[in-house]
Formats: sequence, structure tokens, C-alpha cells
Amino acid sequence: ETGVTQTPRHLVMGMTNKKSLKCEQHLGHNAMYWYKQSAKKPLELMFVYSLEERVENNSVPSRFSPECPNSSHLFLHLHTLQPEDSALYLCASSLYAGTSGKEAFFGPGTRLTVL
Amino acid sequence: SQQGEEDPQALSIQEGENATMNCSYKTSINNLQWYRQNSGRGLVHLILIRSNEREKHSGRLRVTLDTSKKSSSLLITASRAADTASYFCATDAAGTALIFGKGTTLSVSS
Repeated sequence: ETGVTQTPRHLVMGMTNKKSLKCEQHLGHNAMYWYKQSAKKPLELMFVYSLEERVENNSVPSRFSPECPNSSHLFLHLHTLQPEDSALYLCASSLYAGTSGKEAFFGPGTRLTVL
Repeated sequence: SQQGEEDPQALSIQEGENATMNCSYKTSINNLQWYRQNSGRGLVHLILIRSNEREKHSGRLRVTLDTSKKSSSLLITASRAADTASYFCATDAAGTALIFGKGTTLSVSS
């Protein structure tokens, strides 16, 4: 257990569905992240939140919509996804964003399959 | 954009042998970290080395950093079957978050 939980662990959805991924951290961290991990590709940084404000959005399609209501919770809202969006979505947190040299703690991930 | 590049992509060894993985990166960094990922799971932090350090140890792990060559290596000594996983280097060059390489898949057979 890393102190970062993600739900659901597995999700299968059609291209017209709307679903949300949830991440919760119990570490008192101020920064939270969404990463996408596809087969045979490096982890792709999607979004960064620091103190509940989005500080980075790495050219992610608008069908992915993040939400950070407080420093402990992070959501990724999904709508009209494409089959190529099937991947492992990882949430992470760290004490601060930026080059403070703090390690990141990852959740177990949500395995998303888009049919 | 990808910052770290691990080499080799895959490594198969016997229990008891040492495993060495390398990471090269492109731009200046403040620190470099190594993470481990068991199949289909989240990543777990292993070790962090700062740009002014050349070598660091943690248990059976030894990490080196050569900033002049923009490279790092991770050595796992006396490998065990439980070390079977993917290993990633990550750098902070992006500023706000860690950027990861593609990883090295290590398989340790008994």
C-alpha cells in the first residue's frame, strides 16, 4: 500500500459512455498527477495539480477532463473515448510539484478498455 | 516528450546474478529517480540520486550518475525471482512532474 488508492481497478466502456476515474491520497501531499501507460510506450504525463490548481496540461484531448476538488482527491472524467485510449491510468502524488526532489507515490492504476 | 531512455529494453538473468540497467537523458536535471513496476501495477519508488551525487546505495541497489554523460545506471546485486519487474528512470527536467523512460523489463529465473 502506497497511500494512494484508485477506483475502479478495471473499467470497460463503450465509445459513447461517460465514466470517471477516482484517485485519493492519504499522505498529506500537495501535488497530484495523472499518467497514461500504453503498451510499449513510456508513461505519458497528462495533468498536474498543485494545491488544487492545474499547473500542467500536456496537450491532452478534451475527452479527458480532470477535476481536483481538494488536495486529497483527483478525478479523471472520460467521455466519447476512442479505442486507442485503452491503457493503464495511473494516479500519483508528491509532497510538492516542481523540482523539489520529492519522490512520487503511485496508485495501483485503473485498467481502461474502450470498446 | 520523453526524457529518460533505458537500456536494455529487456534483460533475463538467473537468480543470484547481478542486473545492470542504464538510463540516458537529454537535458539538465536536479535529480534522477528509479522506480519499479510489477506487472499491471503502480510504480514504486526505489532510490533518488541528486545531480551533485555520483553514487548511492540502498540495500542491494546501487545507482550511479554521470551528469557529464547524462546517464545513470541501476545495479541490482544477487537478484531474486521477486526482482522480476519493469524498472524505470525518471527525471525532473520538466519542472512540475517526473518524466519517465520506456523502462527495462527484468526477468529473474530460479
